[in-house]
Amino acid sequence: ELKVEQNPLFLSMQEGKNYTIYCNYSTTSDRLYWYRQDPGKSLESLFVLLSNGAVKQEGRLMASLDTKARLSTLHITAAVHDLSATYFCAVDGKSGNTPLVFGKGTRLSVIA
Amino acid sequence: GAVVSQHPSWVICKSGTSVKIECRSLDFQATTMFWYRQFPKQSLMLMATSNEGSKATYEQGVEKDKFLINHASLTLSTLTVTSAHPEDSSFYICSASLGGGGYTFGSGTRLTVV
Repeated sequence: ELKVEQNPLFLSMQEGKNYTIYCNYSTTSDRLYWYRQDPGKSLESLFVLLSNGAVKQEGRLMASLDTKARLSTLHITAAVHDLSATYFCAVDGKSGNTPLVFGKGTRLSVIA
Repeated sequence: GAVVSQHPSWVICKSGTSVKIECRSLDFQATTMFWYRQFPKQSLMLMATSNEGSKATYEQGVEKDKFLINHASLTLSTLTVTSAHPEDSSFYICSASLGGGGYTFGSGTRLTVV
């Protein structure tokens, strides 16, 4: 059974600081997804990482994937209040038409 | 990009009544649709996988007679919560696989059963 573990589950950051969210998964997969969710809203796709060593950046967020370690990271640089949200990582079980398995999410609060 | 339109966005219903949630793929054909449920401050939990023209596959612990899923066409999948009870109150989200490593999500339906 595929399991996805995120940590931390809660994160309170000061504006301007850097931090990393970690996502470990239990079985072989080459595809890792990061999503953002605002309260009362659905998921917003942030990154799709499709191969070992993949690194993607968008604004203050950067995601990377190490398939050998079964680890993905979401790095936040110089946090701003607008980044406050819940961040989920997710993995699909195998190539093909399979559902995503989500981590528990990291609730990020950026404070002044 | 590929869009899944989900309706309604929110619904309030009385205990014992049924509620139907629709997800339509607007610019692509969704062979497979996934239905998730999300309780407050929790992650998304897969309820079932529906394939066009065949019966849905339900996850363990999800009552198939209570959560009826129909995927009669390549552009429409529906979830009907039958005889709803307050414990069914949740946020329901549909998702379609786009193939090649992508998924798209509906905007979600907030169900409140009173």
